[in-house]
Amino acid sequence: AQSVSQHNHHVILSEAASLELGCNYSYGGTVNLFWYVQYPGQHLQLLLKYFSGDPLVKGIKGFEAEFIKSKFSFNLRKPSVQWSDTAEYFCAAHTGGFKTIFGAGTRLFVKA
Amino acid sequence: DTGVSQDPRHKITKRGQNVTFRCDPISEHNRLYWYRQTLGQGPEFLTYFQNEAQLEKSRLLSDRFSAERPKGSFSTLEIQRTEQGDSAMYLCASSPGSSNEQFFGPGTRLTVL
Repeated sequence: AQSVSQHNHHVILSEAASLELGCNYSYGGTVNLFWYVQYPGQHLQLLLKYFSGDPLVKGIKGFEAEFIKSKFSFNLRKPSVQWSDTAEYFCAAHTGGFKTIFGAGTRLFVKA
Repeated sequence: DTGVSQDPRHKITKRGQNVTFRCDPISEHNRLYWYRQTLGQGPEFLTYFQNEAQLEKSRLLSDRFSAERPKGSFSTLEIQRTEQGDSAMYLCASSPGSSNEQFFGPGTRLTVL
């Protein structure tokens, strides 16, 4: 069955630390990949997306993600986190058809 | 505000009652999705509409659940004979025909007592 796995459920970092959140998907065909973010009290919103082309994609607020097809991975990175990055982050995969599959999410807490 | 809206934001009901939720997508979006999210989990796909046609339903969507999008604009999700296990956040999202990027609403939090 198609699935999306996020390796860390909770991450605590200090401001200015570097961030990497892991995401792996299980699907052998063409896949569109997304990272969504949910800030406290707000809706889910798109952080970045990969459809094709350059496997290193850049999103809002200094986030980037790298698609590594051989590893079925789409890890999210930010070189220096801020307190305002405290949120829950969801990796998602659209594997054809109409269904998008979400990971369980990673709660990030950034200490000021 | 031209985003996705959902109503109500919160619903508390007793087991066995029927509930109905409404979603108003972004006006030019022809794709509409319903998801269910429980604590500690990501959104789980329930169903998808393209305009007024319901094109995909999850196995999670039992016969107690029904969704409509009668004129290709707003959508409703009805749960009949609610059970405590139906307690969750119900999310609606829409997207334009040209993209799989989804825009989410604030959700309806359902509590079944």
